[in-house]
Amino acid sequence: ETGVTQSPTHLIKTRGQQVTLRCSSQSGHNTVSWYQQALGQGPQFIFQYYREEENGRGNFPPRFSGLQFPNYSSELNVNALELDDSALYLCASSLDSDTQYFGPGTRLTVL
Amino acid sequence: GESVGLHLPTLSVQEGDNSIINCAYSNSASDYFIWYKQESGKGPQFIIDIRSNMDKRQGQRVTVLLNKTVKHLSLQIAATQPGDSAVYFCAERGSYIPTFGRGTSLIVHP
Repeated sequence: ETGVTQSPTHLIKTRGQQVTLRCSSQSGHNTVSWYQQALGQGPQFIFQYYREEENGRGNFPPRFSGLQFPNYSSELNVNALELDDSALYLCASSLDSDTQYFGPGTRLTVL
Repeated sequence: GESVGLHLPTLSVQEGDNSIINCAYSNSASDYFIWYKQESGKGPQFIIDIRSNMDKRQGQRVTVLLNKTVKHLSLQIAATQPGDSAVYFCAERGSYIPTFGRGTSLIVHP
């Protein structure tokens, strides 16, 4: 186990709704990255937070947003859900830019 | 398009055989490469990494080879076990964000 936890494990939403996913980083890690993994694909980088500031963003629209808290846990928020947002959402924590350790993911289904 | 990719989507081996999973990348500025293993229902698990100033790195039963000339890296797993069955991803990190390929599914037959 990596010590990275995510909640919830599974989630079902309908198109147009909003969702918040949560991640607790490994103890001592100050950086959290979020990824979207569609079925049969590799993880796609959404954004990264370092010491509560967004530190890089992938090719995702602004309706994907996030937060990092003083204890370095993090949230991923997705507004106006679309069917194509159905995927496994992974967070990974690291100390600075060192090796990233992934959580088990949240499986989001949008109907 | 993707900057990393794997040559085969599925690799089937017999238990005890050696497995070789290949990966090509296109960004010649990439200086750090990582292999991850992802079992069903789990997040990717770090296996081994290699920096561009190295050609080879060994871990426990795994070896990563890097050929910068042809922008190719491989993951070799010795004495493959049923527990090695998973999807394997190579990722390159040109900046600080890993870019993943699609993955190769390794199936180990007893």
